[in-house]
Amino acid sequence: DVKVTQSSRYLVKRTGEKVFLECVQDMDHENMFWYRQDPGLGLRLIYFSYDVKMKEKGDIPEGYSVSREKKERFSLILESASTNQTSMYLCASSLYPGRTYEQYFGPGTRLTVT
Amino acid sequence: ILNVEQSPQSLHVQEGDSTNFTCSFPSSNFYALHWYRWETAKSPEALFVMTLNGDEKKKGRISATLNTKEGYSYLYIKGSQPEDSATYLCAFKTNAGKSTFGDGTTLTVKP
Repeated sequence: DVKVTQSSRYLVKRTGEKVFLECVQDMDHENMFWYRQDPGLGLRLIYFSYDVKMKEKGDIPEGYSVSREKKERFSLILESASTNQTSMYLCASSLYPGRTYEQYFGPGTRLTVT
Repeated sequence: ILNVEQSPQSLHVQEGDSTNFTCSFPSSNFYALHWYRWETAKSPEALFVMTLNGDEKKKGRISATLNTKEGYSYLYIKGSQPEDSATYLCAFKTNAGKSTFGDGTTLTVKP
């Protein structure tokens, strides 16, 4: 079974702190994604990566950066956390882009910025 | 940003009822449509992937249809059970590799 793990289920940080959210997948998938989920707004793509050291902006990249130094690990960085970044963050992975390749999701990290 | 809409936003049905909901997406640049089920406190899990106009997929009591020309997909649940309670997400995929998700339909099945 594909497993996608995220470093924390719940996280509370203060405004202005630098925040790292870590995601690890164990199935050698090329693609990895970071989403945030907010009520009424669905899953919105923040960043994605097709390969090590490669990254592409999603629909809402402002205020975030990412790092992919190893194929299995994709980190989301909030350089200076703000209250409007309070949200549920989901990581996902999939095989190389293709019609039938579904995404496998982690359990999510609920981040609260106070 | 592509517009993917799901309706209704939420649905409450009695056990044994059959139900359906809709995912609407752009009819141009279609590559694939995925349906996911997201149960509370769990991760979203893939239900179906649909790629061809007229596709019909079935898994147990759940089935889905696809119309790429008019830009919609229906998800049907026959004889709903409490364990079907979840949020159902559709994701529209272009050949650029990104998926755009709808807001989801949250189904609650009362025993």
